[in-house]
Amino acid sequence: DTGVSQDPRHKITKRGQNVTFRCDPISEHNRLYWYRQTLGQGPEFLTYFQNEAQLEKSRLLSDRFSAERPKGSFSTLEIQRTEQGDSAMYLCASSLEGGAGEQFFGPGTRLTVL
Amino acid sequence: DQQVKQNSPSLSVQEGRISILNCDYTNSMFDYFLWYKKYPAEGPTFLISISSIKDKNEDGRFTVFLNKSAKHLSLHIVPSQPGDSAVYFCAASAGYSGNTPLVFGKGTRLSVIA
Repeated sequence: DTGVSQDPRHKITKRGQNVTFRCDPISEHNRLYWYRQTLGQGPEFLTYFQNEAQLEKSRLLSDRFSAERPKGSFSTLEIQRTEQGDSAMYLCASSLEGGAGEQFFGPGTRLTVL
Repeated sequence: DQQVKQNSPSLSVQEGRISILNCDYTNSMFDYFLWYKKYPAEGPTFLISISSIKDKNEDGRFTVFLNKSAKHLSLHIVPSQPGDSAVYFCAASAGYSGNTPLVFGKGTRLSVIA
């Protein structure tokens, strides 16, 4: 399977705990994006990378959120001190700069904060 | 405020007929538009895109129309098939391609009735 993969697919945690999600993009894609989707809404942009450089962060990304892409391949998104409002689907996408222009999405990680 | 609006939360169409999904945007900086389809428990799947230098793009049963003066685009599916039943998201970017952060609408749930 050469698509975007995300791990875990589901995560249940208690308020105040830290969680980390992983995204593996399509191998030749140099851009990687993180989005968050809540019920009844479309995906909302969080942050994105070109290779290992983080190019932009949304104001939605509070200081409890941190994302990395250390070697320009996979990426991690960490949420510290989770709150119930963090419950959402976290989607990762990748694209090839200069390519046809569409982002390919992974299946998402559903986070539930109790 | 919503920069990309999909004002119809749901749409039901008979199999074989045309489905028309609408999208409006407010940000005049948007210059590239995409449609994604989403099934439950999966990430969004790219369908079709259009840049602001065009007013129509066609791919098989899917056609996207762009009216820049009205800041409106629509997705036509002809003929509609039961497998088209999904949530459709309109997305926009300001980078002349889909390789920059996307702004999504809330989606329209399409039901194609056999």
